[in-house]
Amino acid sequence: EVQLVESGGGLVQPGGSLRLSCAASGFTFSDYWMTWVRQAPGKGLEWVASIKKDGREKNCVDSVKGRFTISRDNAKNSLYLQMNSLRAEDTAVYYCAAGAYSPDYWGQGTLVTVSS
Amino acid sequence: DVVMTQSPLSLPVTLGQPASISCRSSQSLVYSDGNTYLSWFQQRPGQSPRRLFYEVSNRDSGVPDRFSGYGSGTDFTLKISRVEAEDVGLYYCMQGAHWPRTFGQGTKVEIK
Repeated sequence: EVQLVESGGGLVQPGGSLRLSCAASGFTFSDYWMTWVRQAPGKGLEWVASIKKDGREKNCVDSVKGRFTISRDNAKNSLYLQMNSLRAEDTAVYYCAAGAYSPDYWGQGTLVTVSS
Repeated sequence: DVVMTQSPLSLPVTLGQPASISCRSSQSLVYSDGNTYLSWFQQRPGQSPRRLFYEVSNRDSGVPDRFSGYGSGTDFTLKISRVEAEDVGLYYCMQGAHWPRTFGQGTKVEIK
């Protein structure tokens, strides 16, 4: 059974940092691009970042460039999102997903709240 | 960025009746490999998104055949032939042909 389990969310003050993790199982992690997608409360889906199978290519949305970094550890079947200089508008549920052209497996999400 | 425009944004439907959602992209979604990277996702209340279709019309495993996806270039449609109660939720199209990836605004399907 495919599983993607996100962790690391929580309440953080504006300007603070968080590191999200996503533990993958049930599929060959190193065969997939991986992606983070977020959903602000009551809003739609927003693609955040994707990383190639070997980690050598990364892409992210302009609103997080210079603040968020996507990375992966294929030996640990894990995906990460380092989030720095957090803003109120980063408040969202963050989903980990497998695939970049068309994500087919999704996690249950982890909530990040940026507030003082 | 490629803008994905869905319509309608709200879709009240009678049980057993058909429903159709349009998704238009501001640029062609035909990639250099010849594939068209348009996907559809369903998000039931309180759940994570679930992919229904990839590359326009390829139905994912477990998706009922009352759902169909079609279109080409910049104009795509998700159709439900007979809406059932379990189809209530939000539906999103997403393009995977260009960076950054972009989603449509979402269409809320509800029962009248």
